[in-house]
Amino acid sequence: GENVEQHPSTLSVQEGDSAVIKCTYSDSASNYFPWYKQELGKRPQLIIDIRSNVGEKKDQRIAVTLNKTAKHFSLHITETQPEDSAVYFCAATIQGTYKYIFGTGTRLKVLA
Amino acid sequence: DAGITQSPRHKVTETGTPVTLRCHQTENHRYMYWYRQDPGHGLRLIHYSYGVKDTDKGEVSDGYSVSRSKTEDFLLTLESATSSQTSVYFCAIRDREITEAFFGQGTRLTVV
Repeated sequence: GENVEQHPSTLSVQEGDSAVIKCTYSDSASNYFPWYKQELGKRPQLIIDIRSNVGEKKDQRIAVTLNKTAKHFSLHITETQPEDSAVYFCAATIQGTYKYIFGTGTRLKVLA
Repeated sequence: DAGITQSPRHKVTETGTPVTLRCHQTENHRYMYWYRQDPGHGLRLIHYSYGVKDTDKGEVSDGYSVSRSKTEDFLLTLESATSSQTSVYFCAIRDREITEAFFGQGTRLTVV
């Protein structure tokens, strides 16, 4: 069945450094790839997304890249700040199935 | 916040008892989802709905049933709760196929 793998499970970076989280998906029909941030005790919220007809998208310090051939996509956070500390989830949707499948999450710690 | 409300927010129940969680939306979104969140497993899809009375199973549907008799409500029922169903449950809604999902506040369920 459909599967989304996410790595690493935990990531610690120094403030100001960059962080990269990677996800791979199994179904080549996947066509939408969002990233969510979940702060402690709160609900997940979208931070950026990309559709299958686009290779890269940026929003200030956050960017997402998509490699359809390799079936993987990545989240890049530059100039990390303490408030970036959270759990990040990638997800994928499969065209025509309505499913919305998440990765297992990455706990990012930004060290001051 | 998107108009999505989960109830109850917290519940403690005994093994073997039935439990129903409610997700209510005021956005008139077509798609609704139930996830459970457990450490190390991320957000796992239990069931989802793509319209009134149209539902389907997710990755971890055993022991759960759902109903959607009207657009705004999606109910998740644990017919006979087990300790393995102790988790945080999130409802999510989505308007169209290639769009973000909005999450409810979550329900913390403890089965003792």
